[in-house]
Amino acid sequence: AQTVTQSQPEMSVQEAETVTLSCTYDTSESDYYLFWYKQPPSRQMILVIRQEAYKQQNATENRFSVNFQKAAKSFSLKISDSQLGDAAMYFCAYRSSDIYNQGGKLIFGQGTELSVKP
Amino acid sequence: KAGVTQTPRYLIKTRGQQVTLSCSPISGHRSVSWYQQTPGQGLQFLFEYFSETQRNKGNFPGRFSGRQFSNSRSEMNVSTLELGDSALYLCASSLPPGTGYGYTFGSGTRLTVV
Repeated sequence: AQTVTQSQPEMSVQEAETVTLSCTYDTSESDYYLFWYKQPPSRQMILVIRQEAYKQQNATENRFSVNFQKAAKSFSLKISDSQLGDAAMYFCAYRSSDIYNQGGKLIFGQGTELSVKP
Repeated sequence: KAGVTQTPRYLIKTRGQQVTLSCSPISGHRSVSWYQQTPGQGLQFLFEYFSETQRNKGNFPGRFSGRQFSNSRSEMNVSTLELGDSALYLCASSLPPGTGYGYTFGSGTRLTVV
C-alpha cells in the first residue's frame, strides 16, 4: 500500500522569504500523480500544484514550485516570496494511475501547518 | 463556474442517530469522492463514485454508505452514529479518473456527534 509522510508538523516563514515543505512517499508503482493541497481556516482544500511522475520536469505555478525526486520518492514544495495569505495547512497527496483498481483515491500526508510572520 | 457545494455546513447529531450529507459537484464533473478529516487520523478516503457506481471504498465500517445520482450529485449516509464519527467530511469532484487532474474540494460538512 502507498503511504505519504510529511515530517514537519509546523513550519514558520517570514513574509517575502522562501520556505520549503517536505514530503516523502512510498509506492511500488512507476506511474502516479502527486499533489500539494492548501487548507486555510475556511476548510476548503485548494489545489496548489500537481506533478505527473512520468514527467522529469518539476512543476511550477507562479510562486509555488516542486522538487520532484522520483528515485528518492521525495516531493517537496517551495514557496517563494511568502505572503500572509499563504498561511494554511499544506497537504501532500498521492494518486495512483491504476484507475481500475485504485480509482481516484487520494492518499494524504498528515499535513504541515505553515505560519507566515509579517 | 460554481464550485463543489456541500450541505449542510454544520450538523449536530446524537449518538445512535443517522445523518445524510449532500455534495453537488462542479458542472461536468462525474467523479465524486468523500473523505473524513479528523485531528487524530488526518484525511481518510471513504469512497468514490463515477457514473452512479461506487468505484472504490476505503476502510470504513458498513455504517458509512453513499450513492450518486444521475446528475452526479452525491450523498453519504452514516447510520447509528458514534462519538468517533465527529469529523469534517469533505467531498471532492473531478473529471473522470485517469485524466490526472486533481480533485476540487468543497468546504466540507462539520459533523459533531454528542
